[in-house]
Amino acid sequence: DTGVSQDPRHKITKRGQNVTFRCDPISEHNRLYWYRQTLGQGPEFLTYFQNEAQLEKSRLLSDRFSAERPKGSFSTLEIQRTEQGDSAMYLCASSSADSGYTFGSGTRLTVV
Amino acid sequence: GENVEQHPSTLSVQEGDSAVIKCTYSDSASNYFPWYKQELGKRPQLIIDIRSNVGEKKDQRIAVTLNKTAKHFSLHITETQPEDSAVYFCAASRARNQGGKLIFGQGTELSVKP
Repeated sequence: DTGVSQDPRHKITKRGQNVTFRCDPISEHNRLYWYRQTLGQGPEFLTYFQNEAQLEKSRLLSDRFSAERPKGSFSTLEIQRTEQGDSAMYLCASSSADSGYTFGSGTRLTVV
Repeated sequence: GENVEQHPSTLSVQEGDSAVIKCTYSDSASNYFPWYKQELGKRPQLIIDIRSNVGEKKDQRIAVTLNKTAKHFSLHITETQPEDSAVYFCAASRARNQGGKLIFGQGTELSVKP
């Protein structure tokens, strides 16, 4: 296990299309988080899971965004009907009670 | 609401000098304060953290101080080197342990000139 993996690394999509990102956390981590980062800003919290339960969802996360972690392992983040304002780096992180966050390398989304 | 303010937004120092970055948090229930370093195009990486029951923590050239009464915490880097150049983010969390939602500051771009 080499860390948190995110796929794809880059995604270019046309406005109005749906996109889905995947995150594979560190296997022994039970918590998984999604953040969004735009240029020059700190990561903004979107949502997090403990095992398969989604415990908190930011009000930044509109109805077009949905996240799942069906078996408590990997997670997906889907954005429907993408808008140009959705262009950002989407970061996934995982943690456990004994360890702090480990971030993935992120998925850079560009909506054209 | 939950908010973390970070200053300065940019910081330029000469190699060998010290650098100090300051953060203020609004949520008095926050009890865990990590600092992350992010190089261009890379993931944020944890460099040091502190819990609310500790006032100061040091790791080689890096130290963090916490003033719970004032809701301030600061990152101190001594003997700066060009490889310290990066964006640094502070964060705060209510979590009892090291997991939990993090609220990040806006970041400080540190430039260390040789």
